[in-house]
Amino acid sequence: ETVLTQSPGTLSLSPGERVTLSCRASQSVSSNYLTWYQQKPGQAPRLLIYGASSRATGIPDRFSGSGSGTDFTLTISRLESEDFAVYYCQQYGSSPRTFGQGTKVEIK
Amino acid sequence: EVHLVESGGGLVQPGRSLRLSCAASGFTFADHGMYWVRQAPGKGLEWVSGISWNSGSIGYADSVKGRFTISRDNAETSLYLQMNSLRVEDTALYYCVKGRDLDYWGQGTLVTVSS
Repeated sequence: ETVLTQSPGTLSLSPGERVTLSCRASQSVSSNYLTWYQQKPGQAPRLLIYGASSRATGIPDRFSGSGSGTDFTLTISRLESEDFAVYYCQQYGSSPRTFGQGTKVEIK
Repeated sequence: EVHLVESGGGLVQPGRSLRLSCAASGFTFADHGMYWVRQAPGKGLEWVSGISWNSGSIGYADSVKGRFTISRDNAETSLYLQMNSLRVEDTALYYCVKGRDLDYWGQGTLVTVSS
């Protein structure tokens, strides 16, 4: 199975800062079937990015995704207060689908 | 607006069974693959099972293979998960999720396996 490793585990940041989250796959993710989700406490995850770089419906343009093969990145250009959450990557290019362990973005 | 409403969770003893349901609305259910994803308390996300639009393709995580069965009823716009031989480690919030990108999630139904 494809193991996704997210780094760092936790980020402590201030509003307005730029954020870069990493997701590294143990093998190449085919056709960029790589997605990113945001989860806030007590809520279901929300799709942010699909196809490695396409924003989902209603997602602000401060969120962007990039990468290919085994290295993927989620960038938040300027942190807003509502962006403090846990972020997960997920791949479905190979079976079984797998998720990364998550990166928590917390207020500094 | 897409709505996914899970039900059927609860407290169950190890070895027993539960059947989860997901009522879907706000989209053409028969056009989309559907999935179950779970999250143990305080932990990350784990894909459990998926089913294609016509039930022709079905998959399971190794952790549940042989014990769980996914199914759907396109006429009733509903998704199901039959869970047998439940284990303590199956304790989790179970989400019903739409589409190959997992683009819409229900709020989940909590399954607690404990003696």
